[in-house]
Amino acid sequence: GAVVSQHPSWVICKSGTSVKIECRSLDFQATTMFWYRQFPKQSLMLMATSNEGSKATYEQGVEKDKFLINHASLTLSTLTVTSAHPEDSSFYICSAPVRGRDGYTFGSGTRLTVV
Amino acid sequence: GNSVTQMEGPVTLSEEAFLTINCTYTATGYPSLFWYVQYPGEGLQLLLKATKADDKGSNKGFEATYRKETTSFHLEKGSVQVSDSAVYFCALSDSGGYNKLIFGAGTRLAVHP
Repeated sequence: GAVVSQHPSWVICKSGTSVKIECRSLDFQATTMFWYRQFPKQSLMLMATSNEGSKATYEQGVEKDKFLINHASLTLSTLTVTSAHPEDSSFYICSAPVRGRDGYTFGSGTRLTVV
Repeated sequence: GNSVTQMEGPVTLSEEAFLTINCTYTATGYPSLFWYVQYPGEGLQLLLKATKADDKGSNKGFEATYRKETTSFHLEKGSVQVSDSAVYFCALSDSGGYNKLIFGAGTRLAVHP
């Protein structure tokens, strides 16, 4: 149980375009979703925390207007990378807290490549 | 603020060798501590966790003990296998709820036959 489905798993886009990444909780209600990015051979850095029905909380240094987060329902949170540039190329992962043994469940990640 | 420090990798071992990956943390209160594993091309999987001092988390032959006096949560395995090759992340979350996870830098483990 407690699965988060993340799509797409990989995407290649041109500079200047926008890309939307979706994370859906399949068998539970995710009131909170954490969004991380991971550069090659580096750790996961928290970008923002989204809460259903309210504005996301962004970590210091993360551009709100560039990384748009929407959490419109208890089963869907989205991250939109607007006007993407090559430096936005990264691995993006969502995570939701869940009650029970594991504490958190992670999406499988989205590898974004901006060319 | 809260932080996690992991030993730098990569760690290269022969099969059946003993593994230790050091992890220390800085936190206020009583955080929960986690080890996650990331296999090539995959997302993160929980390996083990501990929620209070002196707890020992264990899974798949891996163990880690929550040491409050040394603020450590070192990962150990007595005999590694080639299939254990992956990146291992130590992480903590603030106590008292399901707060954000703070990750260490990750340690890449390569096990050779």
